[in-house]
Amino acid sequence: EAGVAQSPRYKIIEKRQSVAFWCNPISGHATLYWYQQILGQGPKLLIQFQNNGVVDDSQLPKDRFSAERLKGVDSTLKIQPAKLEDSAVYLCASRGLEKAKLGEQFFGPGTRLTVL
Amino acid sequence: AQSVTQLDSQVPVFEEAPVELRCNYSSSVSVYLFWYVQYPNQGLQLLLKYLSGSTLVKGINGFEAEFNKSQTSFHLRKPSVHISDTAEYFCAVSRGGFKTIFGAGTRLFVKA
Repeated sequence: EAGVAQSPRYKIIEKRQSVAFWCNPISGHATLYWYQQILGQGPKLLIQFQNNGVVDDSQLPKDRFSAERLKGVDSTLKIQPAKLEDSAVYLCASRGLEKAKLGEQFFGPGTRLTVL
Repeated sequence: AQSVTQLDSQVPVFEEAPVELRCNYSSSVSVYLFWYVQYPNQGLQLLLKYLSGSTLVKGINGFEAEFNKSQTSFHLRKPSVHISDTAEYFCAVSRGGFKTIFGAGTRLFVKA
């Protein structure tokens, strides 16, 4: 089966600019996650969707970050305006409902954002 | 609240030697436990998971982990490492398979 797709793979912007990332999860996966991974740290959950509804966005900096999953499939994560501390890898993951894969998340390759 | 502590940030080891990467967690309820591996410029890939049952869990690439409830640990082991095992390893805890908390990671560096 095809994996989780993300684009772009790399992005360099200046502070105060806007940027958007795209994620296409594994077909049929209802749950979608966006994580922020700062260099030297583990992934930190930004937002979790179940179909097109938000389950958890408690750690999303809502003054500058937004995310949507309008049709319950693809998702976009936007940062506006970007700050230097937003430099990180943004990972998208999805999870299905198969009992044999309970709890397992499938990750995309990530988007490496550099804010100058 | 759940938390995960990976006790070593870096572990250098020679090829064919055994290795143990340590992970401790805290949670007031039953949890699922995971180990993920991240190769350079790639996303995370599941190595193994503990949901219930046998406390010794076997995963891919010859890795295994043991769940110890009394010590709240879930250490990852491999009896003989290869150069290709050089990567970042993340321990993670999840309650009911939903919100997952990741540790800071352990960089395994296998030397020839």
